Amino acid sequence: AQSVTQLGSHVSVSEGALVLLRCNYSSSVPPYLFWYVQYPNQGLQLLLKYTTGATLVKGINGFEAEFKKSETSFHLTKPSAHMSDAAEYFCAVRGNFGNEKLTFGTGTRLTIIP
Amino acid sequence: EAGVTQSPTHLIKTRGQQATLRCSPISGHTSVYWYQQALGLGLQFLLWYDEGEERNRGNFPPRFSGRQFPNYSSELNVNALELEDSALYLCASSLEVAGTDTQYFGPGTRLTVL
Repeated sequence: AQSVTQLGSHVSVSEGALVLLRCNYSSSVPPYLFWYVQYPNQGLQLLLKYTTGATLVKGINGFEAEFKKSETSFHLTKPSAHMSDAAEYFCAVRGNFGNEKLTFGTGTRLTIIP
Repeated sequence: EAGVTQSPTHLIKTRGQQATLRCSPISGHTSVYWYQQALGLGLQFLLWYDEGEERNRGNFPPRFSGRQFPNYSSELNVNALELEDSALYLCASSLEVAGTDTQYFGPGTRLTVL
């Protein structure tokens, strides 16, 4: 079984400050990991994904995440927050071999303080 | 390239009625996934269709059902609606059955059960 834990349901940062959203996973097989963003009243937009290879993954809008197998983590970061980053962020792990569903964390709502 | 589309945007039903939600995947994608995002319950996997077949379903009662058409579009049917079925229903599509492929999400259908 796979699971994802997102630490902190709400995170507030000042505009220009570092954004750090935490995600830890549990998986019995090598994980495929994703970060999605959801703006109010919209669907999910893919930010970035890790499958294999380089453990530092760069995504859209200046976000990146690092896969750390020893820590079972896939934290999302952005060096400098922008007002437009305010949204809800979801970490997800994907199964395989007939179980390709995404299992999501509970989400982190990011607020940017002007 | 057009993304995943869903219709209707909003749907209001009363308890006991049936609801039908529709999804058109990205051109060339053969897999369609349905997820429910209910308040307080997070994002939960409902159903996965590929090449016209139901491949997997989540922990939902049988009154949640669906199908995939030859053109890979899909519909989700919810029978005997209950108040707790009120949620945002998200459809996603992907190209491959297995491997590292990404699920791309539509804007969702907001179902309200009165």
